[in-house]
Amino acid sequence: GAVVSQHPSWVICKSGTSVKIECRSLDFQATTMFWYRQFPKQSLMLMATSNEGSKATYEQGVEKDKFLINHASLTLSTLTVTSAHPEDSSFYICSARDMSATYNEQFFGPGTRLTVL
Amino acid sequence: QKEVEQDPGPLSVPEGAIVSLNCTYSNSAFQYFMWYRQYSRKGPELLMYTYSSGNKEDGRFTAQVDKSSKYISLFIRDSQPSDSATYLCAMILNSNYQLIWGAGTKLIIKP
Repeated sequence: GAVVSQHPSWVICKSGTSVKIECRSLDFQATTMFWYRQFPKQSLMLMATSNEGSKATYEQGVEKDKFLINHASLTLSTLTVTSAHPEDSSFYICSARDMSATYNEQFFGPGTRLTVL
Repeated sequence: QKEVEQDPGPLSVPEGAIVSLNCTYSNSAFQYFMWYRQYSRKGPELLMYTYSSGNKEDGRFTAQVDKSSKYISLFIRDSQPSDSATYLCAMILNSNYQLIWGAGTKLIIKP
């Protein structure tokens, strides 16, 4: 199956710093990638849809200036958490849609655990 | 009311038992129905998907969709301790690519 990687897998940072998370589709091209966050014992919450070459579409309640998304190529999307605060601590997961798939299958990365001190 | 309802569990069954996991939904426009498995601190992994109503079998797993009742199920036969995980149902409209998720059911298979 298709593989999606995320880097880093975990990060600890001080409050006020910015953190960049990378999401890569390793063996397929993805015009669309999705960013989710997941709190403990809860389901995934879609934050934004990232389209290659255009601006991301953010879900209601997600601050676009706080969570900067860049989808510069067909295999890479980045999420930057700017001026991170403890309440931003969460599990961030990306997914990528395989352009060649016959239906809209999304492949998920392993997630990035962010802890803001 | 949430678009997709799923009992969060936990559901605890003995090894070898048949497991039944279910979701109900309210939007009759959903076309694709998926089941994902998520181990602790890992990303979701697609187990099964079905298009519209019907059954689909893959090894020990069977996915069932009943669009008339707006009800989907995942059955796991001969359950193993390694099946212990959170199982999330997800659905997608045919007009966009956004997955609508259930809350996830935590499944525990006791040896």
